[in-house]
Amino acid sequence: DAKTTQPNSMESNEEEPVHLPCNHSTISGTDYIHWYRQLPSQGPEYVIHGLTSNVNNRMASLAIAEDRKSSTLILHRATLRDAAVYYCILRDHNYGQNFVFGPGTRLSVLP
Amino acid sequence: DTGVSQDPRHKITKRGQNVTFRCDPISEHNRLYWYRQTLGQGPEFLTYFQNEAQLEKSRLLSDRFSAERPKGSFSTLEIQRTEQGDSAMYLCASSYGSPSYNEQFFGPGTRLTVL
Repeated sequence: DAKTTQPNSMESNEEEPVHLPCNHSTISGTDYIHWYRQLPSQGPEYVIHGLTSNVNNRMASLAIAEDRKSSTLILHRATLRDAAVYYCILRDHNYGQNFVFGPGTRLSVLP
Repeated sequence: DTGVSQDPRHKITKRGQNVTFRCDPISEHNRLYWYRQTLGQGPEFLTYFQNEAQLEKSRLLSDRFSAERPKGSFSTLEIQRTEQGDSAMYLCASSYGSPSYNEQFFGPGTRLTVL
């Protein structure tokens, strides 16, 4: 299994930055690190992905450790709409190339 | 709205009945995935199609589950002789291009309740 470890839950205040950590010590050299989030009563949605370098898009930034064994998703200014479960995902190299979701981090945003 | 639709959105059935769910992916997407999600857990991979070919099935997928994607367009997931343990959200996703890094677009899911 391609396993990732994330905190079960985190809290943030609105308009403050949020750093969501993920450990993936078994990552292989060619694995991309994917982040998705799931808003209540919806399917997951793509947030960002990266391989080695830090990545930015309009939703978030992804900071990848030099040894690639951990990464951090950064939401620069949390809004109430960012309250969701955030999943850090690798692919399962033991069986196909499919996403292996863990339980994710439930982010609460306080007004 | 991601462009991936699923029907029905909710299904309540009695144990032992058969149910079928439909997924309509984004039209130009050649890859289609089915996942199952139970309360408090992340989605669990069930099966995957590239065009009309079913390339992978989860080792956890019971023989009671079958999926099709005729003509590489929409897909159906059938569960025969449903059990209470089948109660879950069934999610469909589609993507285009390399599975290594191209994003998957998820539908809203079908919530199945088996009484």
